[in-house]
Amino acid sequence: GESVGLHLPTLSVQEGDNSIINCAYSNSASDYFIWYKQESGKGPQFIIDIRSNMDKRQGQRVTVLLNKTVKHLSLQIAATQPGDSAVYFCAENLSGGYNKLIFGAGTRLAVHP
Amino acid sequence: DVKVTQSSRYLVKRTGEKVFLECVQDMDHENMFWYRQDPGLGLRLIYFSYDVKMKEKGDIPEGYSVSREKKERFSLILESASTNQTSMYLCASSLDRGYTFGSGTRLTVV
Repeated sequence: GESVGLHLPTLSVQEGDNSIINCAYSNSASDYFIWYKQESGKGPQFIIDIRSNMDKRQGQRVTVLLNKTVKHLSLQIAATQPGDSAVYFCAENLSGGYNKLIFGAGTRLAVHP
Repeated sequence: DVKVTQSSRYLVKRTGEKVFLECVQDMDHENMFWYRQDPGLGLRLIYFSYDVKMKEKGDIPEGYSVSREKKERFSLILESASTNQTSMYLCASSLDRGYTFGSGTRLTVV
């Protein structure tokens, strides 16, 4: 079947390198942000989140950075592995309302041995 | 772990058919969502529900309806399928602010 990543920007990295995936979000009132990973044929999976009162949060091999001044998020993956190959989406959530997330278009990460 | 189950991975339907896409979650989540995902367009919200029998239109509700008779089940209905509804459909549920997604249903309308 057609890949969801077919028309997306692609980041190509060598196995073992660090990856940085960027995302510009749209609404200055958003106060919660999430990164999702979507492998081929699967639904998106939660990776890491961050609230707007923070500018950095670290997980296992991943770090999310938030710059509210320029409405920018980044996901850093340390020591990228072939299993990290996927499409990555950022999502923003406005405070209040019914917990609707607004998703970015996504970036495809291709890891080469 | 929360599990969101979509009943079909692949579906092929004919133009004009009525199509039901089913989604079930097992963690008593209040909120459930239906998205479609198309290359270059990302995830677009069709409908969501914040309680049993409650529903709200998303960004692209035209040609779709939904049903939430029980808390754990949220159904997406294509009243008369058309070829432009060929897409990947993703269901999600949430309690707090993060979503848990199902594996998706790839629907082809011929």
